[in-house]
Amino acid sequence: EAGVAQSPRYKIIEKRQSVAFWCNPISGHATLYWYQQILGQGPKLLIQFQNNGVVDDSQLPKDRFSAERLKGVDSTLKIQPAKLEDSAVYLCASSLELTSREQYFGPGTRLTVT
Amino acid sequence: DAKTTQPTSMDCAEGRAANLPCNHSTISGNEYVYWYRQIHSQGPQYIIHGLKNNETNEMASLIITEDRKSSTLILPHATLRDTAVYYCIVRGDSGTYKYIFGTGTRLKVLA
Repeated sequence: EAGVAQSPRYKIIEKRQSVAFWCNPISGHATLYWYQQILGQGPKLLIQFQNNGVVDDSQLPKDRFSAERLKGVDSTLKIQPAKLEDSAVYLCASSLELTSREQYFGPGTRLTVT
Repeated sequence: DAKTTQPTSMDCAEGRAANLPCNHSTISGNEYVYWYRQIHSQGPQYIIHGLKNNETNEMASLIITEDRKSSTLILPHATLRDTAVYYCIVRGDSGTYKYIFGTGTRLKVLA
């Protein structure tokens, strides 16, 4: 079974530029998550989708971050404009259903904002 | 905020059991304890979960105290590949079912 795919793996941008990350969850998984992990900290949930609907986006900085999951499969997370403090690893995860015990994580995208 | 507290770091000799403690004194009756680990440069990986009974799978054992205020993850024969950050998470069975990660325990297995 293929795992959660993310691209790119690494990205370096200057502050005030925009960037987009892509995630392809495990086939058949209805729930998709985006996490932000700052160095030395645990992952922080940014947004959670159930199919193509948003379940929780309470921690998403909506003035600069946006995410979508068209057709309930792939998802993109965008930052515009980026700030220095956005430097982090962005992790995508998926689970079979909202109530599933186990989440499957992708390898992450390491973003550096200079 | 995370509802768990864990030691920042621990060392364990290769081949010995690694016992990772977690305090969750405010856990509610319908909340489960989950353990994940994150090996360097990878995403977190599910290990095990439990409600109130001890649990065992091919990776680890989970011991939950009778009052459910703390638990211990046991890796019975630690190997160098078990070097990782281990996260203990408490999650309920309602609402958004989301995980709130703390900073975890950095386990280093020594040769």
